[in-house]
Amino acid sequence: DGGITQSPKYLFRKEGQNVTLSCEQNLNHDAMYWYRQDPGQGLRLIYYSQIVNDFQKGDIAEGYSVSREKKESFPLTVTSAQKNPTAFYLCASMGSGRSGEQYFGPGTRLTVT
Amino acid sequence: GENVEQHPSTLSVQEGDSAVIKCTYSDSASNYFPWYKQELGKRPQLIIDIRSNVGEKKDQRIAVTLNKTAKHFSLHITETQPEDSAVYFCAADTDKLIFGTGTRLQVFP
Repeated sequence: DGGITQSPKYLFRKEGQNVTLSCEQNLNHDAMYWYRQDPGQGLRLIYYSQIVNDFQKGDIAEGYSVSREKKESFPLTVTSAQKNPTAFYLCASMGSGRSGEQYFGPGTRLTVT
Repeated sequence: GENVEQHPSTLSVQEGDSAVIKCTYSDSASNYFPWYKQELGKRPQLIIDIRSNVGEKKDQRIAVTLNKTAKHFSLHITETQPEDSAVYFCAADTDKLIFGTGTRLQVFP
């Protein structure tokens, strides 16, 4: 299970609050990804970063923000602008190269009420 | 953009039977097709992958076939066991991975 961690496992917030989800990897991977998982909808890409200090929007970036100041870390902020933030959030990383295995973290289940 | 469709959404089989999950993709430039298994409450894990220069790949009881002309690929699990019960996701990669919506496989003893 080692290599990529997410914390916390469960997170509860009130509507209108921003919340930051942590993702850390010690695999020396260049690329990191954030996915959102909802029942029956698979994994949808929020943001990704292929190198430090650079990141791109995925398919559902609205209401989210990220930073990539260090190779090991790719935190995701769920802002109050995200209309339906309750979901399971998965972080992943991948080594160098254009395509290959993505290693997933254990996920954070965010509940906003 | 790239779209990946996956069928069926649920699949129930008897232990020992085979299971087949099918995916189609839209972007002919896709060249990498992984399959991930996600057990309940756990993270997705890669079980097999195939690249566009290969038509079939096998690893013990699992195999993946790719038809680039038709733009579809399939996962085959033979001699299914209860521990194969999970959600399986296909994906296709051009510049980023696009996942299918998942198949919940249940293997009954």
